[in-house]
Amino acid sequence: AQKITQTQPGMFVQEKEAVTLDCTYDTSDQSYGLFWYKQPSSGEMIFLIYQGSYDEQNATEGRYSLNFQKARKSANLVISASQLGDSAMYFCAMREGPSFGNEKLTFGTGTRLTIIP
Amino acid sequence: GAGVSQTPSNKVTEKGKYVELRCDPISGHTALYWYRQSLGQGPEFLIYFQGTGAADDSGLPNDRFFAVRPEGSVSTLKIQRTERGDSAVYLCASSLRDRVVNEQFFGPGTRLTVL
Repeated sequence: AQKITQTQPGMFVQEKEAVTLDCTYDTSDQSYGLFWYKQPSSGEMIFLIYQGSYDEQNATEGRYSLNFQKARKSANLVISASQLGDSAMYFCAMREGPSFGNEKLTFGTGTRLTIIP
Repeated sequence: GAGVSQTPSNKVTEKGKYVELRCDPISGHTALYWYRQSLGQGPEFLIYFQGTGAADDSGLPNDRFFAVRPEGSVSTLKIQRTERGDSAVYLCASSLRDRVVNEQFFGPGTRLTVL
């Protein structure tokens, strides 16, 4: 089974609208971390937001928020008031186990987001 | 400050040749990671260093792949007898490992093409 599933290969969104990028995960660990990264056409992966499995509040970072539904094993990224510069690939990733000693990230296949002016 | 740097940015080689890819992490970051990203896929973990030692090399696909980090800073990923299937973007990342989040900061990658 895939550990990280991103079911939307591509999305087109009108500028200034909000967008939700889906991510579901599969793990038997109680402690884990979920990450979202943005990859513009330049290729560099940019860290956006993190949610720990024990965090009770949904993570927020500026225009980014993470809709964490633990029972459903989903960690959707919400981008509010989208901008043209948000056009990029977006990857959901998971670290299984506690932060230290379990370092590797497992990535999904990504969603290509295109913002339409 | 300076981010993670990788050289070369592009490498074209012939099947069977040996290649070295270099990664210079963010100053002070003790952890260093290598990932491989094939076209249309997400990055795939290869190896992780804590200091000079490889703490997890479970992602290396076979013994043609080897990585070193002799002084705990710069790392080199070495690929022997390259095959066409090795063509991908090789990403390096580093982290501080001093926080719960422990986010990894990525470099721009080296695009390897094996002809």
